[in-house]
Amino acid sequence: AIQLTQSPPSLSASVGDRVTINCRASQGIRSNLGWYQQRPGKAPKVLIYAASSLESGVPSRFSGSGSGTDFTLTISSLQPEDFAMYYCQHYNSYPLTFGGGTKVEIK
Amino acid sequence: EVQLAESGGGLVQPGGSLRLSCEASGFTFSSDYMSWVRQAPGKGPEWVANIKPDGSEEYYEDSVKGRFTISRDNAKNSLYLQMNSLRVEDTAVYYCARVSRWLVWSYWGPGTLVTVSS
Repeated sequence: AIQLTQSPPSLSASVGDRVTINCRASQGIRSNLGWYQQRPGKAPKVLIYAASSLESGVPSRFSGSGSGTDFTLTISSLQPEDFAMYYCQHYNSYPLTFGGGTKVEIK
Repeated sequence: EVQLAESGGGLVQPGGSLRLSCEASGFTFSSDYMSWVRQAPGKGPEWVANIKPDGSEEYYEDSVKGRFTISRDNAKNSLYLQMNSLRVEDTAVYYCARVSRWLVWSYWGPGTLVTVSS
């Protein structure tokens, strides 16, 4: 199975900060990667598909980049509602797997 | 409006069985892959199973192969997960999710909690 390693596991940031979350795949997955946001007690919400395409309705401060094995989710200016867990997930082949998650906390 | 609503969760003893259901509305259910994704308390999400739009093929995460069966009834706009030989480690919130044309999970239900405990 393809393993996804996210870094950092957690980060503290302030409103307005630029935040970067990384995701590394154990083997090449082309651009078959999505990013999800999850708030406590809620289902995950997709932000990015195909590594860099913004899901409809998602604010443009979210962006994704990368292909092959290294990917990045960037929040250009952190807003109060962005404090949450973030997960990468690949769909290159079965089994589908998620990264371990990154918790974005308020500094 | 797309809606997914899971039901059937609850408390079950190890070795027991449970059948989850997911009722879908607001989209052409018979056209889309569907998934079950679970999340154990305090852990990240974990994909469980996928099923093709016509139900002809199923895919499973290794730890549930041979114990869980995903199925669908397109006439009833419903997705199911039959869970047998349940283990303590199957305890989780189980989500029904719609696979988008871009192969990500674009819509999720609110989830149903399955607790496996003696």
